[in-house]
Amino acid sequence: KAGVTQTPRYLIKTRGQQVTLSCSPISGHRSVSWYQQTPGQGLQFLFEYFSETQRNKGNFPGRFSGRQFSNSRSEMNVSTLELGDSALYLCASSLVAGVQGGELFFGEGSRLTVL
Amino acid sequence: AQTVTQSQPEMSVQEAETVTLSCTYDTSESDYYLFWYKQPPSRQMILVIRQEAYKQQNATENRFSVNFQKAAKSFSLKISDSQLGDAAMYFCAYRLIMNRDDKIIFGKGTRLHILP
Repeated sequence: KAGVTQTPRYLIKTRGQQVTLSCSPISGHRSVSWYQQTPGQGLQFLFEYFSETQRNKGNFPGRFSGRQFSNSRSEMNVSTLELGDSALYLCASSLVAGVQGGELFFGEGSRLTVL
Repeated sequence: AQTVTQSQPEMSVQEAETVTLSCTYDTSESDYYLFWYKQPPSRQMILVIRQEAYKQQNATENRFSVNFQKAAKSFSLKISDSQLGDAAMYFCAYRLIMNRDDKIIFGKGTRLHILP
């Protein structure tokens, strides 16, 4: 069974640009959540999607957005990039939403560098 | 607001020894889960162990066990017989049960080094 797949694995952007990251969950998993990992702030929750609906959102500005498709794949977008957006972006999937959805399975992440 | 604090940014332990990673959390809720996740270098994060707050018995998974003190809001992870493969960043996390605002909250992590 394939794990959680995130693309691209690495990318470099410049300030002001936008970026789209993709996440394919484990087959059968319907919930996808996104996290930003930085050395200073650790792991911070961005948002969670279930059945194509955003179920929960962390404390990030509106420049951070996401969506989920009918096949449960998810994308997140960051517009007007800032230097502080440089981070490892992790995606996780679970069978259903919330803690009752069981264990979170993480992808390897997309490392974004903003110059 | 719920917070999770890991007071040890880095720790080292000799191979085959026992090490304890600390975690405290702050919440006014009573129904929640606590987790320890492991992130090896350049590898995916995986769940190590989880504890339901309503269970008094401490969770155990092979060499990994927790000391859950609900009143003190403390949730430490003990790794026995440390192995080189245990070297990783460890994150403590908290999540409410059956609540709209049940986003998972992570601590900032503890980097564990295993000395051969």
